[in-house]
Amino acid sequence: QSVLTQPPSASGTPGQRVTISCSGSISNIGSETVNWYQQLPGTAPKLLIYSNNQRPSGVPDRFSGSKSGTSASLAISGLQSEDEADYYCATWDDRLNGFVFGTGTKVTVL
Amino acid sequence: QVTLRESGPALVKPTQTLTLTCTFSGFSLSTSGMCVSWIRQPPGKALEWLARIDWDDDKYYSTSLKTRLTISKDTSKNQVVLTMTNMDPVDTATYYCARTKVPAGGGWFDPWGQGILVTVSS
Repeated sequence: QSVLTQPPSASGTPGQRVTISCSGSISNIGSETVNWYQQLPGTAPKLLIYSNNQRPSGVPDRFSGSKSGTSASLAISGLQSEDEADYYCATWDDRLNGFVFGTGTKVTVL
Repeated sequence: QVTLRESGPALVKPTQTLTLTCTFSGFSLSTSGMCVSWIRQPPGKALEWLARIDWDDDKYYSTSLKTRLTISKDTSKNQVVLTMTNMDPVDTATYYCARTKVPAGGGWFDPWGQGILVTVSS
């Protein structure tokens, strides 16, 4: 089962800002950097944010990440229809000595 | 350009051993800091990390599955192999391999292979 907790769903109208939370513990988010993945329907996940707040080349600056203590957040500003997808946070867990994923959040554009 | 592709059986019977191969290009697993991980996703469910192998042959496994998993690499063939023993219908999932970068602890998966759906059924 997932070690990191995310809300199951989030939604907004085009142009709005949506925020997704990711809650962990001292052994994972509290100790390591957080990464975010976007999974469009029927496709493999894609790296969206790495090292808490870094965007890979090609990822629009509408996507931003942050981390504080044992929680992290992904923000999507200027929501667009193509942002409808599942979003997962992930990090390394020092106690488990392995990677852990969040429960996933489905973003719907109304 | 970095690409990864998973291959293996689409259907396995309960109690059988699953062997999956990840064939990659565009990077070398002998380069310091390079790793490959396996991740799976049951239909309609969340992602679950399974295992990681590093450039120096260090290996890491999911705590809950470590007794059933073995990961290995063939650097000359640019391949990583995952075996999972004693397959059960709950292991039905899409299995992904992904290049994993671990600059200073932690790390991230980029890019991912397209995935292979493995169904466990008699």
